[in-house]
Parts: sequence; structure tokens; C-alpha cells
Amino acid sequence: DTAVSQTPKYLVTQMGNDKSIKCEQNLGHDTMYWYKQDSKKFLKIMFSYNNKELIINETVPNRFSPKSPDKAHLNLHINSLELGDSAVYFCASSQYNPGQGQGYTFGSGTRLTVV
Amino acid sequence: ILNVEQSPQSLHVQEGDSTNFTCSFPSSNFYALHWYRWETAKSPEALFVMTLNGDEKKKGRISATLNTKEGYSYLYIKGSQPEDSATYLCAFPRMDSSYKLIFGSGTRLLVRP
Repeated sequence: DTAVSQTPKYLVTQMGNDKSIKCEQNLGHDTMYWYKQDSKKFLKIMFSYNNKELIINETVPNRFSPKSPDKAHLNLHINSLELGDSAVYFCASSQYNPGQGQGYTFGSGTRLTVV
Repeated sequence: ILNVEQSPQSLHVQEGDSTNFTCSFPSSNFYALHWYRWETAKSPEALFVMTLNGDEKKKGRISATLNTKEGYSYLYIKGSQPEDSATYLCAFPRMDSSYKLIFGSGTRLLVRP
């Protein structure tokens, strides 16, 4: 069983479209995250959800919105896609307390290409 | 230091060599320090979560030490193998209300056979 699964793995879409990336975890973790791997390969936090509540919201454009139907899912919706949104997006989950447990568990990433 | 800094940026070693690299982080309000291993085209995998000053953790040939007073952690790999080739990330939860995990830029290790 995959611990953190995100779909799709690859997404190619045109500018202006609206798209979603789904993420599910079966680890019973409290918190889920979306990270963006930027052009310099840095992992930058975008959103975090704890028990279905948004606990951090980095300065990302409001075209990006997280949706969490339950504790095991955190989907990422992107409206009006722009060329600069092209990147690899990683979902992750963890226990809320980052000093406990085994750290973050990451999904395999979604490579988004906007053309 | 306001963020997490890692050095060197990249490292090339021969198979069998032992190697180490550094993660520097803010020493004030320390809570935890994470190490991750990130192979190309895969996702980061957690190696260690360290919380106590002087802590040393080990997983196979990989070990890590922690100095919270001076704000650094070392990752050691003994007898490097080609399969150890990866980017090694450290990460530090920023102690605001969010426990936001801030990642360093990583050390890219290449082990030549």
C-alpha cells in the first residue's frame, strides 16, 4: 500500500485552464502539506492542513486553493494556470508535532507543465 | 543564521570513501532537526528526526549528530556506495504557530564506482 499517493503523476495543460491534483494518505497522520519544488530545486511550503483546518498559508497566489474533504485527503486546486506555475508539486503528511514520529512522508510528486 | 544552510552544495566521492556534510540552523528556539534523502526522480525519504542536544542517530552506514547550542548537525556516510548517490536535505521546523518545516537546499552526493 502506498503511504502517500498523489495523482496525476504528470499533468500538461494550457494556460488559463483550471486543474486539480489529488493527495491521499493512509498513515493516520494529523497534518498534510503541499510543497512546490522551485526552479532551483528548493522545496517551498505552500499549504498545511491539520484536522481539516488550514494552519499555514504561505504567500502563494490565491489562484491556488487547498481542499481537504477529510483528514486523509488534501487536494490542490489551481485556477487560471500560468506558465510560471510549471513545477513539481509534492504532497506530504506527518504527525502534527514535528519533533515526534518519523518525519514527513512525501508523495511521488506531480510534474505540472503549463504550455 | 535565519534559515537552514547546508554545505557543501555538492560532493563527489569514490566508492568506499567515507564522507560527511553539514547543516546549520538557528540555535535559538530549537525544536527539532530532520534529515531526508532524496534520490533523483523520487520523493524525499525521512532519515532522522533529532531533538536532543548531543543526540546521535544511526541507520546502517549513515549516522547524524546534533549540536543545538551552536546550531549545526553533521551527516556521516561510512564506506559510500553508488546507491548512496542522492541529495541529502536537512529541515528545521520554524517555531511559530505553524511548525512550518523549512528545508535547506541540500547536499548533492555522487558516489563513483
